[in-house]
Amino acid sequence: DQQVKQNSPSLSVQEGRISILNCDYTNSMFDYFLWYKKYPAEGPTFLISISSIKDKNEDGRFTVFLNKSAKHLSLHIVPSQPGDSAVYFCAATGNFGNEKLTFGTGTRLTIIP
Amino acid sequence: DADVTQTPRNRITKTGKRIMLECSQTKGHDRMYWYRQDPGLGLRLIYYSFDVKDINKGEISDGYSVSRQAQAKFSLSLESAIPNQTALYFCATSTHQGQGAQAGELFFGEGSRLTVL
Repeated sequence: DQQVKQNSPSLSVQEGRISILNCDYTNSMFDYFLWYKKYPAEGPTFLISISSIKDKNEDGRFTVFLNKSAKHLSLHIVPSQPGDSAVYFCAATGNFGNEKLTFGTGTRLTIIP
Repeated sequence: DADVTQTPRNRITKTGKRIMLECSQTKGHDRMYWYRQDPGLGLRLIYYSFDVKDINKGEISDGYSVSRQAQAKFSLSLESAIPNQTALYFCATSTHQGQGAQAGELFFGEGSRLTVL
């Protein structure tokens, strides 16, 4: 039973445009959400997070939005750059980040120059 | 040098063989994890350990065992490897929020690619 789902396995976006990656979850006990970025031949690295007490968190070009009623979060990257081409995983956890993470299946983002 | 080091980075083995993947960290974190990545399935948790005397099963622990030899070392064993254990395996560490990390932030090694023939 996949508790965290990323329904788009891949996404292509023109350089300079907005990239929007989506993630849905089913477990209402999740209260903290994270996005990780993974380049080939490297381990995933933390990108941005959001607590369930917020509906938006911004860090430079990256913004995460959380819709608790819909159990949906999204990552916006604007403007998209070629270095953003990677696999993006969303993850969820409880106890405001103190429990183990459950990851989604990942979305491969390709930025077209 | 990497803060989280996995060995071996690549391994090809045969069905039925015993395999050990090792992970060591210099971050001083108390929590360590083993994940596997498969195409279309994302990252799935195999085992995790919140301190040296704590071992917990994750989503997919069948066919695997772990040992937390010290705070800095966490090894994953496949007692009798089978082809569907062919995957990319990641070790990760974490600590408490505020100790140089965000809440829930994991620090991953570079991965160990295992192929079971």
